[in-house]
Amino acid sequence: AQRVTQPEKLLSVFKGAPVELKCNYSYSGSPELFWYVQYSRQRLQLLLRHISRESIKGFTADLNKGETSFHLKKPFAQEEDSAMYYCALNRRGSQGNLIFGKGTKLSVKP
Amino acid sequence: DARVTQTPRDKVTEMGQEVTMRCQPILGHNTVFWYRQTMMQGLELLAYFRNRAPLDDSGMPKDRFSAEMPDATLATLKIQPSEPRDSAVYFCASGSAGTGGIGSYNEQFFGPGTRLTVL
Repeated sequence: AQRVTQPEKLLSVFKGAPVELKCNYSYSGSPELFWYVQYSRQRLQLLLRHISRESIKGFTADLNKGETSFHLKKPFAQEEDSAMYYCALNRRGSQGNLIFGKGTKLSVKP
Repeated sequence: DARVTQTPRDKVTEMGQEVTMRCQPILGHNTVFWYRQTMMQGLELLAYFRNRAPLDDSGMPKDRFSAEMPDATLATLKIQPSEPRDSAVYFCASGSAGTGGIGSYNEQFFGPGTRLTVL
């Protein structure tokens, strides 16, 4: 079965602290994984995709096939990072139909 | 700056009433998705269309929900009759279909959502 698990509903850190939002997936073969973000009162938007190996707003995410994980990390959290974060998996053969995790709400305190 | 639009933004209705939500995808996009967002379940896919044809609506309660694309510029999601458990934020998203190969995925662009409250 294809599945995405985000074990933490809420993650609260202080400004300047490191952040790691966890994402585990279930998929046989080579997955395509993404992180989407929803800031308060804004639309859900793509943050980054694993295939691009990019860093966006200081965030990175590495695909670990051995651990079937795609954790999102940032070394120094900022207050403006407070948002809802969704990990997503491209459903096999679907050409863009994503399976989303339930999301983690990140709260960065001053 | 092209954006997905959704109407209405907020809807409060009473149990048993019909609710229709509308979405205008970005011009040129051929794939449209409907999602429901709740605190408990997060983001759930209800249905999606490619070139106006429904590809998957397995996430949708068939007895009361229906989704259509009468033309390329309009997608609708209807609930009849509505129930309190339908209270949620409903998102529409649009995108361009990739080839299906690795790296061909194209970003989904989300609308602002319709916040539905069924009393």
